[in-house]
Amino acid sequence: EAGVAQSPRYKIIEKRQSVAFWCNPISGHATLYWYQQILGQGPKLLIQFQNNGVVDDSQLPKDRFSAERLKGVDSTLKIQPAKLEDSAVYLCASSLTGGGPQHFGDGTRLSIL
Amino acid sequence: DQQVKQNSPSLSVQEGRISILNCDYTNSMFDYFLWYKKYPAEGPTFLISISSIKDKNEDGRFTVFLNKSAKHLSLHIVPSQPGDSAVYFCAAHPQGAQKLVFGQGTRLTINP
Repeated sequence: EAGVAQSPRYKIIEKRQSVAFWCNPISGHATLYWYQQILGQGPKLLIQFQNNGVVDDSQLPKDRFSAERLKGVDSTLKIQPAKLEDSAVYLCASSLTGGGPQHFGDGTRLSIL
Repeated sequence: DQQVKQNSPSLSVQEGRISILNCDYTNSMFDYFLWYKKYPAEGPTFLISISSIKDKNEDGRFTVFLNKSAKHLSLHIVPSQPGDSAVYFCAAHPQGAQKLVFGQGTRLTINP
């Protein structure tokens, strides 16, 4: 089966600019997650969707980050405006159900200048 | 608050020997635990999991042990192979929630 697809793989922007990431989960996976992984740390959950509804966005900095999954399949994560501390790898993952093993994409490495 | 901790940032092991990666947690309300493996420029890959009602789970060269009284789990890889060189993340699943809480990771290097 095809894995979780993410794009772009790399992005370099200046602070205060905006950026968007795209994720296509494994076919049939109802649950989709966005994680932020800062260098030297483990992934931290930003937001979790069940189909097109938000299950958990408690750690999403809502003043600058937004995410949507309008049709319950693809998802986009946006940062506007970006700050230096947003430099990280943004990982998308999906699972069949909310409690099952999560399958990760290869991530988008974001660098803020 | 760091609920899942991997206190060793790195570990170096000789090929053919046993690799032991450790993880400690502070929350008794985790109902299962997972190990993920990550190569550079790739996403984490699920390796093995264990339910909180068990104390051991084995899959080929990989065995995970859970000590609930000590709030400690470990991943044993035997024999270690060069392809095992990667960063290993311990993750825990809170009861009633659907997210995973990750440790900081341990970089394992297998030397020939």
